[in-house]
Amino acid sequence: ETGVTQSPTHLIKTRGQQVTLRCSSQSGHNTVSWYQQALGQGPQFIFQYYREEENGRGNFPPRFSGLQFPNYSSELNVNALELDDSALYLCASSQKESSETQYFGPGTRLLVL
Amino acid sequence: AQSVTQLDSQVPVFEEAPVELRCNYSSSVSVYLFWYVQYPNQGLQLLLKYLSGSTLVKGINGFEAEFNKSQTSFHLRKPSVHISDTAEYFCAVRTLGGAQKLVFGQGTRLTINP
Repeated sequence: ETGVTQSPTHLIKTRGQQVTLRCSSQSGHNTVSWYQQALGQGPQFIFQYYREEENGRGNFPPRFSGLQFPNYSSELNVNALELDDSALYLCASSQKESSETQYFGPGTRLLVL
Repeated sequence: AQSVTQLDSQVPVFEEAPVELRCNYSSSVSVYLFWYVQYPNQGLQLLLKYLSGSTLVKGINGFEAEFNKSQTSFHLRKPSVHISDTAEYFCAVRTLGGAQKLVFGQGTRLTINP
C-alpha cells in the first residue's frame, strides 16, 4: 500500500507567477484535502475534493483552485503568487465513507520571491 | 466555528522524563480530536485520535491522550520520552459529518535534552 505522495518537493517562484502542485492519494482513498502551513504555524485548510468535486473550502481567495482526477489524484493551483504564499503545502487523503482519519503527504515547500 | 489552543509553544524536557502537551478546543458541536507529529522537514504523522468511547486513547510511540468533555481538553502524555520524540506536535479537531476539515492548533515544539 503506497502512502500519499506530493510533487515537487521544493519550488521557487516569483511574485505574480502561477504554480501547480500535485498529490497522489493513498490507495483506496477517494477524498483529498489541501492545507497551507506557514512557517511556525499550524496547517490551515484550503479546500477538499471528493469524487472530483469541491466539498468544502477554507478562507482562501479564488486564486487558489484545485482539481481532482478520476484516479483521485489532485492538483492545487495558485495564480498571481504573493510573497505571503510562501509556505509548506500539505495534501491529505482519506476514505470519506469509512474512515475519519486523514493521512498526510510530505508536503511541497513553496518559496515566492 | 471550531478553534484549538495549544497552551505551550515550546516544552523542553530531559530524556526519560514524563511529558504532557496541553490542548484545549472550542466548538458548539461534537468533534473528533487528533494529535499529529511533524518531524523536521516532513509532513504530519497521526499519533492518535478520539472518535468516541473510552476517553483514554493510546497511540503510537507510547503516547496517550485523555478526552475531557467538561474541560474541552485533549492533553497528550508520555511517561518517558526519548531523544527521537523531538518534534512539533499538533492538536486538531473536526466536526462530525460534512467536509473533513481539520482545524489545527499552533503547535508545540517538544525538545528532549540528554
